[in-house]
Amino acid sequence: DTAVSQTPKYLVTQMGNDKSIKCEQNLGHDTMYWYKQDSKKFLKIMFSYNNKELIINETVPNRFSPKSPDKAHLNLHINSLELGDSAVYFCASSQDRGLINEKLFFGSGTQLSVL
Amino acid sequence: AQSVAQPEDQVNVAEGNPLTVKCTYSVSGNPYLFWYVQYPNRGLQFLLKYITGDNLVKGSYGFEAEFNKSQTSFHLKKPSALVSDSALYFCAVRDGGYSTLTFGKGTMLLVSP
Repeated sequence: DTAVSQTPKYLVTQMGNDKSIKCEQNLGHDTMYWYKQDSKKFLKIMFSYNNKELIINETVPNRFSPKSPDKAHLNLHINSLELGDSAVYFCASSQDRGLINEKLFFGSGTQLSVL
Repeated sequence: AQSVAQPEDQVNVAEGNPLTVKCTYSVSGNPYLFWYVQYPNRGLQFLLKYITGDNLVKGSYGFEAEFNKSQTSFHLKKPSALVSDSALYFCAVRDGGYSTLTFGKGTMLLVSP
């Protein structure tokens, strides 16, 4: 079984559309994250949820809205998509937010292309 | 603020030769250091971490990393490279407490047969 799974794997859409990416983890972890990897492979955190509560919200346009219906799921909804949103979006999870030695488990990514 | 620098965009090495992927960091407190690997079209996978203790840390797939406090470095090493080690490698640092992981920009490792 895949530990952290996200769908879809590829998403091609037009500017101005609204789209969602779903993420689920079956590891029993308390904390989930969204990361954005740009075309130069630079990886930057966007959001983090701990037990359905938003704990990290980096400088991200408010067109991006994460939603966590339960601690095993963290979805990312994007309104009014722009060309600059094209990137690979990674979901990740960790056991807890406060353990300094904890590692992250990543999904395989969603390649978003905005035309 | 915490930051990570990976000075090389790409490292080329022949199979069987030793490899080093460089990483330096900057934190205000004690550093907690990690290496992750990303294979094509995959998510990042944890390789190893340094929290405290021995400066030489051993991880997955024969990789190891050496923590050097005076040089603020955490270079990734492997005594004998394999073609299958070819991937993108990320160094990451956390400054303790509830801070998030900050990733470097990644270094592409290419191992030629």
